[in-house]
Amino acid sequence: GNSVTQMEGPVTLSEEAFLTINCTYTATGYPSLFWYVQYPGEGLQLLLKATKADDKGSNKGFEATYRKETTSFHLEKGSVQVSDSAVYFCALSPWGGGNKLTFGTGTQLKVEL
Amino acid sequence: DADVTQTPRNRITKTGKRIMLECSQTKGHDRMYWYRQDPGLGLRLIYYSFDVKDINKGEISDGYSVSRQAQAKFSLSLESAIPNQTALYFCATSDSMQETQYFGPGTRLLVL
Repeated sequence: GNSVTQMEGPVTLSEEAFLTINCTYTATGYPSLFWYVQYPGEGLQLLLKATKADDKGSNKGFEATYRKETTSFHLEKGSVQVSDSAVYFCALSPWGGGNKLTFGTGTQLKVEL
Repeated sequence: DADVTQTPRNRITKTGKRIMLECSQTKGHDRMYWYRQDPGLGLRLIYYSFDVKDINKGEISDGYSVSRQAQAKFSLSLESAIPNQTALYFCATSDSMQETQYFGPGTRLLVL
């Protein structure tokens, strides 16, 4: 079956540090890949997505590139802010559609001044 | 106004009680989902519905039931609540043409 593995947290960084949150997946074919973010006390919201190999999703300074050869979709940001503190979820939607998302366990990010 | 709303936002109940969580959406989407979130486990799919007449079990449907009363409304019921159903529950919606799901703010449920 499909699965998503992401690095455990919490990840604690100083403001303006570089962020990487690793995500790898197991799925047949060419799933679509997503990063969702959950701010404290809120529901999940889409951060970025990529629907085919080598696509780069980007939003709010965050980027992730769909790497079919390594089955990865790592999230990066060059300079984090305190306001980026949240839980980040990697997810996939299976090839062929169906809209059923499989989520990773989430990575909590804490950014300190 | 929020596009996806959930009621109640917080609920405390006792073991054995029946409880209903409600979800409404104004996005006009045809697909709706219920997830639960537990620490260290991410989100797991309970039930999903691609249409008013379509209901499907997710990976953890035991102990839950759902009702799709209209395109905009999707309710989750716990017929006889048990403590390990204590969790954060999210409703989500999507359009059949898009894969992106839009989430409600969540319902925090505590079963004593």
